[in-house]
Amino acid sequence: LAKTTQPISMDSYEGQEVNITCSHNNIATNDYITWYQQFPSQGPRFIIQGYKTKVTNEVASLFIPADRKSSTLSLPRVSLSDTAVYYCLVGDPYTGTASKLTFGTGTRLQVTL
Amino acid sequence: NAGVTQTPKFQVLKTGQSMTLQCAQDMNHEYMSWYRQDPGMGLRLIHYSVGAGITDQGEVPNGYNVSRSTTEDFPLRLLSAAPSQTSVYFCASSSPDGQGVNYGYTFGSGTRLTVV
Repeated sequence: LAKTTQPISMDSYEGQEVNITCSHNNIATNDYITWYQQFPSQGPRFIIQGYKTKVTNEVASLFIPADRKSSTLSLPRVSLSDTAVYYCLVGDPYTGTASKLTFGTGTRLQVTL
Repeated sequence: NAGVTQTPKFQVLKTGQSMTLQCAQDMNHEYMSWYRQDPGMGLRLIHYSVGAGITDQGEVPNGYNVSRSTTEDFPLRLLSAAPSQTSVYFCASSSPDGQGVNYGYTFGSGTRLTVV
């Protein structure tokens, strides 16, 4: 399973765009990149998943460069309710590795007024 | 649609006691997993299952047993509780889509366990 590195914490003001970058230098050909969000006292929640280029949904965008050695989660116009820990995971969703997600320590995002 | 249901939400055990953490999902998901999360840490995989009758060990399996007799249920048993097992335990489930891609796990709300 590819190891990921992401910042421990980030701060933002409400209304700003937040970009959280994750490094995964040894990502394998079949690996996808998945991001989860975790609020205090809750289980993680799936946000977005992608393989290459750009993926967008109603919550966030995921940017993946051509070499796929990093990815950036973009949260548009954050609000106080976006304060959470964000996890970047890398794995092959087609095989058994999808059954054993490996979470790092994540990025703790603090949004203030 | 209840999703992933974990019981109990809170539990205090004495050292040496045993107990079972329950996890049930109503989404007909094939994959189910148990994680523990210690304060300020990420989640660590304890055991996982890719289908009924199939289980395997994760990163930190010692002191825990699991079984998967049905698709819906995946109980986690603590054999002899130790203070080091004080943690929040999360159960999760997922299933591949028609093309075999697994798009993400649904997590339960967790069980907060304290061993004294």
